[in-house]
Amino acid sequence: DVKVTQSSRYLVKRTGEKVFLECVQDMDHENMFWYRQDPGLGLRLIYFSYDVKMKEKGDIPEGYSVSREKKERFSLILESASTNQTSMYLCASSFPWDTGANVLTFGAGSRLTVL
Amino acid sequence: SQQGEEDPQALSIQEGENATMNCSYKTSINNLQWYRQNSGRGLVHLILIRSNEREKHSGRLRVTLDTSKKSSSLLITASRAADTASYFCATDDINRDDKIIFGKGTRLHILP
Repeated sequence: DVKVTQSSRYLVKRTGEKVFLECVQDMDHENMFWYRQDPGLGLRLIYFSYDVKMKEKGDIPEGYSVSREKKERFSLILESASTNQTSMYLCASSFPWDTGANVLTFGAGSRLTVL
Repeated sequence: SQQGEEDPQALSIQEGENATMNCSYKTSINNLQWYRQNSGRGLVHLILIRSNEREKHSGRLRVTLDTSKKSSSLLITASRAADTASYFCATDDINRDDKIIFGKGTRLHILP
């Protein structure tokens, strides 16, 4: 089974800190995604990547950046954390070539609190 | 922008009853998917339906798709306590199928 591992399940950071959220998948998936999930808003796409060193903005990229130096790892970076970035962050990956569709495999999530 | 919108936002039914959730979306799509999320966890893929399909079954799940109305429904038959979760529809875009957008979800609670 494909496994998507998010490095931290819970994080508490202070306003202004630089925050790294790491995501690793172990099945050579091409595509990787970062979403944030907030009550009443569902999942919103922050960034996605379809290849190494390639990235595309999702619907809410402001305040975030990403890095994909290796195929298996997709990092989400908060350059200067703010309280409105307190949220659940979900990483996912997909390999569309077997099904012809982007069926996502998700990690367990990282709950970030910014004080 | 939110592509899919699920309806209702929340649903409580008795165990054994059927649960129906609906999803509406805005743009033309290649595929529509449904996912389940147990409390505080990541999402799990349930079923995918392609734009040229009208209905699909998987175990106790039945999904329909009406591309003319840009809507889909998920039916869970003979509900069980373990079906208590949030359910999300997700769509791609016909011009950009690697960008997957989710709706806000339906919270389903199965009463014993």
